[in-house]
Amino acid sequence: EVQLVESGGRLVKPGGSLRLSCAASGFPFISYSINWVRQAPGKGLEWVSSISSSSSYIYYAYSVRGRFTISRDNAKNSVYLQMDSLRVEDTAVYYCAREVGNFDYWGQGTLVTVSS
Amino acid sequence: QSALTQPASVSASLGQSITISCTGTSSDVGTYNLVSWYQQHPGKAPKVMIYEVNRRPSGVSNRFSGSKSGNTASLTISGLQAEDEADYHCCSYATNFWVFGGGTKVTVL
Repeated sequence: EVQLVESGGRLVKPGGSLRLSCAASGFPFISYSINWVRQAPGKGLEWVSSISSSSSYIYYAYSVRGRFTISRDNAKNSVYLQMDSLRVEDTAVYYCAREVGNFDYWGQGTLVTVSS
Repeated sequence: QSALTQPASVSASLGQSITISCTGTSSDVGTYNLVSWYQQHPGKAPKVMIYEVNRRPSGVSNRFSGSKSGNTASLTISGLQAEDEADYHCCSYATNFWVFGGGTKVTVL
């Protein structure tokens, strides 16, 4: 069974940092790109970042470029999202999702709240 | 990286059909057939219902169908059922990034 499990979300002050993790299982992790997608309270989905299977291709939404860094450890079947210089508008549930030309599997999400 | 445009809400009675539009540009929906639709119930993760414009994943009811014309994609739900009440999000590839719509709340009357 394919599973994606996010962790690391919590309350953080503006300007602070946070590292989210996405642990994958049930499929050949090394063969898939993984993305982060977020959803602010009561809002739609927003694509955040993607990383290819070998980390050769990495892309970011304009809204997070220069502040967020995506990475992966194929030996640990995990993807990470390092979030620096956090802003109030980064408050959201963050999902990791497997990409196959669409997002066929999603985690349950982890809540990041940026507030003073 | 502008969001795709969806209606905020659509409602219809049990058994009726609805169509949700998703308007993008020639840089996303108009160029790529990597358009997908996601159903999301409150407090749950999104679930893919349609991918590559009009393909249905295994296990998704054939009451769900997708299409595209120019820069606009559409999701049609026929024979509306109570469990179809949810938020629906469209998504398109757009050269090195993905763009979502604002989401449409479907209410079954």
